[in-house]
Amino acid sequence: GAVVSQHPSWVICKSGTSVKIECRSLDFQATTMFWYRQFPKKSLMLMATSNEGSKATYEQGVEKDKFLINHASLTLSTLTVTSAHPEDSSFYICSARGAGSNYGYTFGSGTRLTVV
Amino acid sequence: AQSVTQLDSQVPVFEEAPVELRCNYSSSVSVYLFWYVQYPNQGLQLLLKYLSGSTLVKGINGFEAEFNKSQTSFHLRKPSVHISDTAEYFCAVSEINNDMRFGAGTRLTVKP
Repeated sequence: GAVVSQHPSWVICKSGTSVKIECRSLDFQATTMFWYRQFPKKSLMLMATSNEGSKATYEQGVEKDKFLINHASLTLSTLTVTSAHPEDSSFYICSARGAGSNYGYTFGSGTRLTVV
Repeated sequence: AQSVTQLDSQVPVFEEAPVELRCNYSSSVSVYLFWYVQYPNQGLQLLLKYLSGSTLVKGINGFEAEFNKSQTSFHLRKPSVHISDTAEYFCAVSEINNDMRFGAGTRLTVKP
């Protein structure tokens, strides 16, 4: 089945630094990638949607300059949290959707970001 | 845009009892519906999905859900739960070729 690899699974960084999270589709071409953020004991909130080769579409309230999304190839999307602050600490999950009739989303295993 | 409401934030049940987790959605067009389970500090695992066809969908771990278009519901059921079913369950909805939106989640706690 479709597999999405998300790395790192957890990261601790200092305030002011930037962190990059990678999401790779291993056995299919991900034409669309979704990035979600999940606060403790809360639901997943969609941050942005990106189509390969295009600029990401951000949800209202999500700072595009803070959360940089790149989807330069059909198998890789990255989320960079720039100038991270403690309030950016969260669980980030990517989801990939391929083209074709077998409609489905495949989720990565998530990244726990802790900013100290 | 589509949205989904999970009516119960917490559902405590005893082991081997049946359980139903409720989910209602809102959309002006046809939708796909999903149930996911999340264990602590882990990603999402797909339990089942409704795309089309039979309104009764069977998933993994003995779970099933029924799509009811008139009531815009997609409730998740299991006839007999185990301790290992304790987790967070999310209902999600997606309009065709659109993004996926999640409900607030239901914490299922199975007690011995």
